[in-house]
Amino acid sequence: NAGVMQNPRHLVRRRGQEARLRCSPMKGHSHVYWYRQLPEEGLKFMVYLQKENIIDESGMPKERFSAEFPKEGPSILRIQQVVRGDSAAYFCASSPPERGLAQYFGPGTRLLVL
Amino acid sequence: GEDVEQSLFLSVREGDSSVINCTYTDSSSTYLYWYKQEPGAGLQLLTYIFSNMDMKQDQRLTVLLNKKDKHLSLRIADTQTGDSAIYFCAETAMDSSYKLIFGSGTRLLVRP
Repeated sequence: NAGVMQNPRHLVRRRGQEARLRCSPMKGHSHVYWYRQLPEEGLKFMVYLQKENIIDESGMPKERFSAEFPKEGPSILRIQQVVRGDSAAYFCASSPPERGLAQYFGPGTRLLVL
Repeated sequence: GEDVEQSLFLSVREGDSSVINCTYTDSSSTYLYWYKQEPGAGLQLLTYIFSNMDMKQDQRLTVLLNKKDKHLSLRIADTQTGDSAIYFCAETAMDSSYKLIFGSGTRLLVRP
């Protein structure tokens, strides 16, 4: 049973470009979460999605950031017009449909904005 | 608001026990977690404890929960060099059962 997959593992973008980060949850998991980790800090919650639904996006910046989890395919975190402050590690986690079970994390995508 | 605090750094000798401490603010948290992060890698779930438990043991790992003081600890017995990593404590947020609130992490260095 493969774990949570994220790609790319590293992404370099220039200011103003778009960044697209992909996440495939573990088999059997229908809940996906995105977190951001700034250098030397813990992870901060961004968004929680189920298939075709955004359940909670309270941690997402109001502009330039969006997330989706389509019926088919991976979850996508999209950052438009990136700025240097977007440089961070972005982690995806997934959990099974049953409530209250732990979240399992992917290896992360490290975004560097030049 | 919620806050999870951890000491930043711990250094131990190989073979000794390590104790990593964490304090949290939300007494209604249902679950408390310990994650391990090795350099350049994602977070590995080590263990979690339900808030109605005081202790949980899993091989070399022992988790102790003091609900009165809102204090959580992770003890690693017979610490090995492969245990060197950053350890994150996390609690579920007050307003949800899924939103994890993380501490800043404790960097554990195991000296040979």
